[in-house]
Amino acid sequence: EPEVTQTPSHQVTQMGQEVILRCVPISNHLYFYWYRQILGQKVEFLVSFYNNEISEKSEIFDDQFSVERPDGSNFTLKIRSTKLEDSAMYFCASSGINQPQHFGDGTRLSIL
Amino acid sequence: GESVGLHLPTLSVQEGDNSIINCAYSNSASDYFIWYKQESGKGPQFIIDIRSNMDKRQGQRVTVLLNKTVKHLSLQIAATQPGDSAVYFCAELPDRGSTLGRLYFGRGTQLTVWP
Repeated sequence: EPEVTQTPSHQVTQMGQEVILRCVPISNHLYFYWYRQILGQKVEFLVSFYNNEISEKSEIFDDQFSVERPDGSNFTLKIRSTKLEDSAMYFCASSGINQPQHFGDGTRLSIL
Repeated sequence: GESVGLHLPTLSVQEGDNSIINCAYSNSASDYFIWYKQESGKGPQFIIDIRSNMDKRQGQRVTVLLNKTVKHLSLQIAATQPGDSAVYFCAELPDRGSTLGRLYFGRGTQLTVWP
């Protein structure tokens, strides 16, 4: 069964550094999402992306965040200058038309 | 704003019993609901979904019930197995006429199945 894949599984970064989280969505999906989950808390929406542009973003997704689909298969989330509170699990999801969102297994981001 | 929550944070059941996991939502305009299962170290895994024009939907060993009158959603797992042990989330999508868009997640219920 096709699945969303994310790399790396764990990323450790110094505060203030840039980090790029990578995702390969399911191949025939057109809608892409990033969510995050701080330890012990709910899964929170960050951003959705369709047709090479952001469809919606939450209040969490400030100017430090950006997304990109650099080629036909990858979808990336960049955090420009990481903060301690950015430590969380980051999940990528994708969906097709009238289909539920399918999630990857996440990247654990640890900011030191 | 939208709010999705769960009645119980933990649920323990004996193997072979049926499990019922509940979820309350606050946005009466919500149109689409999904149940996800999250095992330790993994991402949310799709289990079953339901649109607001339905009140029941069945899958393999799972049934989702939607009561729009009281804004309540439940997931029933028949003959619960040890492999069902996980955190279960309900997620809600406001009325958009499609399954696309921002999902609002509940806090999750930890289901533990003991032999």
